[in-house]
Amino acid sequence: GAVVSQHPSRVICKSGTSVKIECRSLDFQATTMFWYRQFPKQSLMLMATSNEGSKATYEQGVEKDKFLINHASLTLSTLTVTSAHPEDSSFYICSAPGPSNYGYTFGSGTRLTVV
Amino acid sequence: QKEVEQNSGPLSVPEGAIASLNCTYSDRGSQSFFWYRQYSGKSPELIMSIYSNGDKEDGRFTAQLNKASQYVSLLIRDSQPSDSATYLCAVRDSGGGADGLTFGKGTHLIIQP
Repeated sequence: GAVVSQHPSRVICKSGTSVKIECRSLDFQATTMFWYRQFPKQSLMLMATSNEGSKATYEQGVEKDKFLINHASLTLSTLTVTSAHPEDSSFYICSAPGPSNYGYTFGSGTRLTVV
Repeated sequence: QKEVEQNSGPLSVPEGAIASLNCTYSDRGSQSFFWYRQYSGKSPELIMSIYSNGDKEDGRFTAQLNKASQYVSLLIRDSQPSDSATYLCAVRDSGGGADGLTFGKGTHLIIQP
């Protein structure tokens, strides 16, 4: 079946540093990648949508200069959390539509802890 | 603003019984509906998808959709302890793959052995 590989699975970083999260579609082309964030005991909240070859679109309230998204190819999308702060600590999950017309494939998630 | 509402639970069901999970959504334009299971610290995994009114069955799972009432449900028959997890209802409003999903907060299901 379709797989989206997400790395790293866990990362601990110091406040003020940047962290990059990668999502790769292994056996299908992902022209679109959705990035979600999930705080403890909360639901997944859509942060932004990346599209290969164009700028990402961000949901209301998400700072585009803080959460940099790059969709460099049909199989790779990255999310960089810049100048991370403890309140950015969360579970970040990527998801790509496909390969069927209606399904979504989720990455395994990245647990970010900012100390 | 699109909203998806679920009872957060916990919902406790004896092993072997039927677990019934409910979800309502606010956007009448919603076209696609999904149930995901999420274990603690893990990514969601798809249980069922449903697109038209009525019932859809897959093994021990049955999804029910009523667009007029803006209501989606998931029934789990012969509940097993391994079914204990948080179940997320998710909705998409377009017919294609261009939109992200709107998730409910999830229902925490506990199957008691």
